[in-house]
Amino acid sequence: DIVMTQSPLSLPVTPGEPASISCRSSQSLLHSTGFHYLDWYLQKPGQSPQVLIYLGSNRAPGVSDRFSGSGSGTDFTLKISRVESEDVGVYYCMQARQAPYTFGQGTKLEIK
Amino acid sequence: QVQLQQSGPGLVKPSQTLSLTCAISGDTVSSNTAGWNWIRQSPSRGLEWLGRTYYRSKWYNEYAVSVKSRINMNPDTSKNQISLQLNSVTPEDTAVYYCARHYYESSGSYPQYFDYWGQGILVTVSS
Repeated sequence: DIVMTQSPLSLPVTPGEPASISCRSSQSLLHSTGFHYLDWYLQKPGQSPQVLIYLGSNRAPGVSDRFSGSGSGTDFTLKISRVESEDVGVYYCMQARQAPYTFGQGTKLEIK
Repeated sequence: QVQLQQSGPGLVKPSQTLSLTCAISGDTVSSNTAGWNWIRQSPSRGLEWLGRTYYRSKWYNEYAVSVKSRINMNPDTSKNQISLQLNSVTPEDTAVYYCARHYYESSGSYPQYFDYWGQGILVTVSS
């Protein structure tokens, strides 16, 4: 199975400041299509996860342009340009390069 | 607008079978641009993908090795829903269980992202 490792696990951020989360996979997530099968999800308190970024760097429909994804191979990053109070929750990276799909441990973002 | 409505018991006894259903509206279970997945979440294991069922001219099922000997997923085209059965449960199977749609591009060959999730059901395994 592909192991996904996130850092940091806890991320206190002042509103208006940027934030960054790292995700590393134990194998390359590059597919023969040329896409990296890496998604980012946010789970807000008491809710089901919701997609933010797919295929490494594509913002899902309806997602704020404050969110961006980048990376290649085994190293990926989620960036929030200016954190807002509504961004609170746990952020997960997930690989869909091969089954079983696997998730990172999660990064809990909180407002300072 | 796609909606996934989950149902099933919240308490299951050890060694018995966990059974959940996920009713789909706004899409069809036999869609060529969807895969229907079960994912669970617990404090000890985090988010864990359990398996998927999808239709591409015929039905396919794929399961996580960790539960492969105990799991069954069935599509029900007449009710437009999917079901999950997990046999011989132990307290380690206690978790919130989600169904989720994996959206595929138009050819149906390449997954894009999990775009719709059920509300989640907490299943506790205890006597």
